[in-house]
Amino acid sequence: EDQVTQSPEALRLQEGESSSLNCSYTVSGLRGLFWYRQDPGKGPEFLFTLYSAGEEKEKERLKATLTKKESFLHITAPKPEDSATYLCAVQPVGGSYIPTFGRGTSLIVHP
Amino acid sequence: EPEVTQTPSHQVTQMGQEVILRCVPISNHLYFYWYRQILGQKVEFLVSFYNNEISEKSEIFDDQFSVERPDGSNFTLKIRSTKLEDSAMYFCASSDGGRADTQYFGPGTRLTVL
Repeated sequence: EDQVTQSPEALRLQEGESSSLNCSYTVSGLRGLFWYRQDPGKGPEFLFTLYSAGEEKEKERLKATLTKKESFLHITAPKPEDSATYLCAVQPVGGSYIPTFGRGTSLIVHP
Repeated sequence: EPEVTQTPSHQVTQMGQEVILRCVPISNHLYFYWYRQILGQKVEFLVSFYNNEISEKSEIFDDQFSVERPDGSNFTLKIRSTKLEDSAMYFCASSDGGRADTQYFGPGTRLTVL
């Protein structure tokens, strides 16, 4: 069974304090790994898709990286507006194209 | 920038009633999805729809649920005989079927069953 585990469950940072969120996964083969941001009461907002180990993508203060077993979402010098839940989802090769979501990491950035 | 829209944003219904949740996917997308998220829980897949038929469904998507694309723009989720445990956020998503099939989500409909 495909599994996606995100850690930590919650993270509190001071503004400007860089950190990383982890998404570890077990799938028979990876078609794509997705990162989303979700604000309270809102839908997941797409951030990145990663396809293969070694790939990196950046957007403003966020950088996503991928290995064969995990992905990291690095947040550099975060601001209070980066506070949200960050979701990771994994899509396996073959068969179902439906992504499996992790439980997310709730990030709070204090000013 | 194109986006997925959903209506209503909040639906309150009595147990046993039927509700229809509506979605307008991104216009050039071909694949449509419904997910739900119970408060504090993971996003859970319900159903995917392509070429006017269901392509995949989860164990959650039983006879109580149905989907329809009544015209060229709308995509609906019908829930019959609602139960208290159907209370959740329901998200519509769409994708263009490209590499890794990135899905774009709507803002959600909060369903409250009393």
